[in-house]
Amino acid sequence: DIQMTQSPSSLSASVGDRVTITCRASQSISSYLNWYQQKPGKAPKLLIYDASSLQSGVPSRFSGSGSGTDFTLTISSLQPEDLATYYCQQSYSTSLWTFGQGTKVEIK
Amino acid sequence: EVQLVQSGAEVKKPGESLKISCKGSGYSFTSYWIGWVRQMPGKGLEWMGIIYPGDSDTRYSPSFQGQVTISADKSISTAYLQWSSLKASDTAMYYCARRNGHPTYYFDYWGQGTLVTVSA
Repeated sequence: DIQMTQSPSSLSASVGDRVTITCRASQSISSYLNWYQQKPGKAPKLLIYDASSLQSGVPSRFSGSGSGTDFTLTISSLQPEDLATYYCQQSYSTSLWTFGQGTKVEIK
Repeated sequence: EVQLVQSGAEVKKPGESLKISCKGSGYSFTSYWIGWVRQMPGKGLEWMGIIYPGDSDTRYSPSFQGQVTISADKSISTAYLQWSSLKASDTAMYYCARRNGHPTYYFDYWGQGTLVTVSA
C-alpha cells in the first residue's frame, strides 16, 4: 500500500499569514495527488487535483506543487474561513486510494 | 447541478444489518465511478471502495473487503453501502463521492454524509 504522511498534524497561524502543508508518499506517485479541505461538520471539498490544478471555484490563494513523493499545499494569505482540516490523497493506485492523516489549521 | 444526496442518520444495534444510499442527480450516473469514504469520530478519511454503476464493476480496499458490500441500481441512480452484521467499530460518518478526471482521478462531488451509530 502507498502510505501518505502529512506534516504538520496541526498548525496555528494569523490571518494574512502564508501557510504551507506538506505531504510525502511512500513511493513515487507522479502527480497523482489531490488536496481536500474539510470544514468542521461538513463533507470534504476538492481544492487541488493533479498536484497543482486548482478546482473550479476555489480561491486563488490556494496552490499546490510537487511530483514524485513530495508535495505541498500553500495558502498564500490565510483567511478566517480557511479554518479546516486539510487532507492529501493519492490516486496513483487505481484500486486503493489512500489519504494522509490530515492537517488541522487553526486561526490565531 | 451535480448532487449526491445520502440517506439519513441511522442508529443500530450490534449484529443488525444496514444499507445506506447515495442518489446522484444532475449528471450521467452510469458514466462516473462512485466511491465510499469512512470517517470515524474525530479521525481522518479512509477510502473504502468504489463502484462503476454502468456495469457494477466494484473495487474494495483490503481493509474493507468482506466487511461491507457496495452496490448500485442504475435505474434509480443510486449507490449503496451495506453491512450484514454491524459492530460498534462501524460507528462513523460515511460519505459517497463521485470520481472524476483522467488520467489523474479525484473525488469532485461529495454527498453530505450519513452518520451510522452502532450501540447496544
